[in-house]
Amino acid sequence: SAVISQKPSRDICQRGTSLTIQCQVDSQVTMMFWYRQQPGQSLTLIATANQGSEATYESGFVIDKFPISRPNLTFSTLTVSNMSPEDSSIYLCSAAGGLNTEAFFGQGTRLTVV
Amino acid sequence: DQQVKQNSPSLRVQEGRISILNCDYTNSMFDYFLWYKKYPAEGPTFLISISSIKDKNEDGRFTVFLNKSAKHLSLHIVPSQPGDSAVYFCAASGHTGNQFYFGTGTSLTVIP
Repeated sequence: SAVISQKPSRDICQRGTSLTIQCQVDSQVTMMFWYRQQPGQSLTLIATANQGSEATYESGFVIDKFPISRPNLTFSTLTVSNMSPEDSSIYLCSAAGGLNTEAFFGQGTRLTVV
Repeated sequence: DQQVKQNSPSLRVQEGRISILNCDYTNSMFDYFLWYKKYPAEGPTFLISISSIKDKNEDGRFTVFLNKSAKHLSLHIVPSQPGDSAVYFCAASGHTGNQFYFGTGTSLTVIP
């Protein structure tokens, strides 16, 4: 299993600003993902963070709004840009060792945009 | 479009009885299925998984059943314990990648 540390664990931000969330894994992993969980809803995949190349975004999510970095096999960041109250959500980092293996999650970042 | 669905938002079960959580999916390309448990203010914790080549996988008190023809899976918890009270998410992925698609979750309450 992998231990995933996310920070910050929570933040309250002004609209129009940006927040970068960091995700650190205690071991090298093949795959890292970013999810969002809006209040009362399921986890929605934002993108797959690819090491050494651009992230792969799911429908409805774009790089300008959610730029992602993955400089190595243990670290990734997600930036929520030009925030609005609709971006208030829990953002979760996830990592998996390979195809058809379980994914492990960080504790999440609770973001409130005011 | 929700590819993985959990139609029961909540479930209440007496301690010691069986808890059955259900999940349906629409994408026939999914071939790996998982259940996660989530406590408030924590990330989801992996519970149990099943590959599409199997129809049952058991781990202690937890058993997952997969019915591919019906595109349905279920999680059985026997016997249920108060510590099992949490939100349970089912998830699915396809062979083309390891992106997981999650259901909307079922909140299980085990009553002592």
